[in-house]
Amino acid sequence: QITLKESGPTLVKPTQTLMLTCTFSGFSLSTPGVGVGWIRQPPGKALEWLALIYWDDVRRYRQSLKSRLTITKDTSRNQVVLTLTNMDPVDTATYSCAHLNSFTHYDAIGRIDSYYFDQWGQGTLVTVSS
Amino acid sequence: QSVLTQSPSASGTPGQRVTISCSGSSSNIGDNFIYWYQQVPGMAPKLLIYRDNQRPSGVPDRFSGSKSGTSASLAIGGLRSEDEADYYCAAWDNSLSGWLFGGGTKLTVL
Repeated sequence: QITLKESGPTLVKPTQTLMLTCTFSGFSLSTPGVGVGWIRQPPGKALEWLALIYWDDVRRYRQSLKSRLTITKDTSRNQVVLTLTNMDPVDTATYSCAHLNSFTHYDAIGRIDSYYFDQWGQGTLVTVSS
Repeated sequence: QSVLTQSPSASGTPGQRVTISCSGSSSNIGDNFIYWYQQVPGMAPKLLIYRDNQRPSGVPDRFSGSKSGTSASLAIGGLRSEDEADYYCAAWDNSLSGWLFGGGTKLTVL
């Protein structure tokens, strides 16, 4: 059974750096074909993908936030850490981590591994206010 | 343009069939799989459909997904009160090299 849990501060001041930890169980980030991503949801608004890291340490970031985001993994501790610098009140949101599963398919190019979010943590509300 | 567009709301009565649509472009839905999530307020999103039309184990067959070109749909048959939730489509976007989520559709069961 896969579980994920987010932890970190619930309140940060503008310009501060947010560091969130996703602690998971039921899978290993050293196993090919898995990954972990971060998604946030401002109150009353839609889901917004932020970043992801695959088992092979490949990372992807939301383009509009790329300069402010960093994602890292600690395979031995089953944790993924997200940092978001220069926090602003518009960054107030519930931040969630999610497990990335994958499947293999083939097209004209050849073999493709497609990933998707299949299990989510409960999320943690982060408020940015002075 | 790399966005996924959903109607903000949908509604139906118990037992009815409703369809929720998601419109994208050639860089996302047109070239990648679509995924659907259900989010009950205050809860984590739950995967309903993956790989355009596949249901994870435990998801009732009342839920079905389809895709044509750069648009996709989620159909819910035999509507139940517990289906009242927000529904999000998601797809990888090749231009952005990142995930896109739709704006969400709030389903009300009348």
